[in-house]
Amino acid sequence: DTAVSQTPKYLVTQMGNDKSIKCEQNLGHDTMYWYKQDSKKFLKIMFSYNNKELIINETVPNRFSPKSPDKAHLNLHINSLELGDSAVYFCASSQDPGQFYEQYFGPGTRLTVT
Amino acid sequence: SQQGEEDPQALSIQEGENATMNCSYKTSINNLQWYRQNSGRGLVHLILIRSNEREKHSGRLRVTLDTSKKSSSLLITASRAADTASYFCATDGQGAQKLVFGQGTRLTINP
Repeated sequence: DTAVSQTPKYLVTQMGNDKSIKCEQNLGHDTMYWYKQDSKKFLKIMFSYNNKELIINETVPNRFSPKSPDKAHLNLHINSLELGDSAVYFCASSQDPGQFYEQYFGPGTRLTVT
Repeated sequence: SQQGEEDPQALSIQEGENATMNCSYKTSINNLQWYRQNSGRGLVHLILIRSNEREKHSGRLRVTLDTSKKSSSLLITASRAADTASYFCATDGQGAQKLVFGQGTRLTINP
């Protein structure tokens, strides 16, 4: 049984396009995250939602817009894709945003912008 | 800003040997976590150590934390080929509601 799932797993698109990545968790967690992992494996948080409310919004271009329709889902929409957006995007969840809880990661979405 | 930094960046050892990876961080923390990432996969949580703990074990894993030196180490004993992966430390920073990850140590276990 998949705990945190993401779709699609691979996404190849051209510059200027708009794309979305979907994430779902069946762990009953209250908090969900989006991370970006670059080619050097550096993992950086982008957004965090707790019970559908945005609690962390790192310095991310406005072209990135997260949406949480319910606490089990957190989607990421990206407008006007740029070459520099190419990376692996990970969704994660945890019991709550407190620092004492482990995070569960999805399998990642490899985005390639050409 | 990057909080944790792993050392070494890459480590290659023979199966059966022990592997030690280090993590240094900059600001005070409430806890430190270690994660593993297999190639092409998501991160998997290994162990969490709180700031008032000095050592923690889980199976073949041993984690130490030295808050005076702002450093932690992950020891994998009796390594196996399946341990080949990247290992990341993550810290929270007091008051932060997020984890900050280092760039990881890429561990290769040679059969």
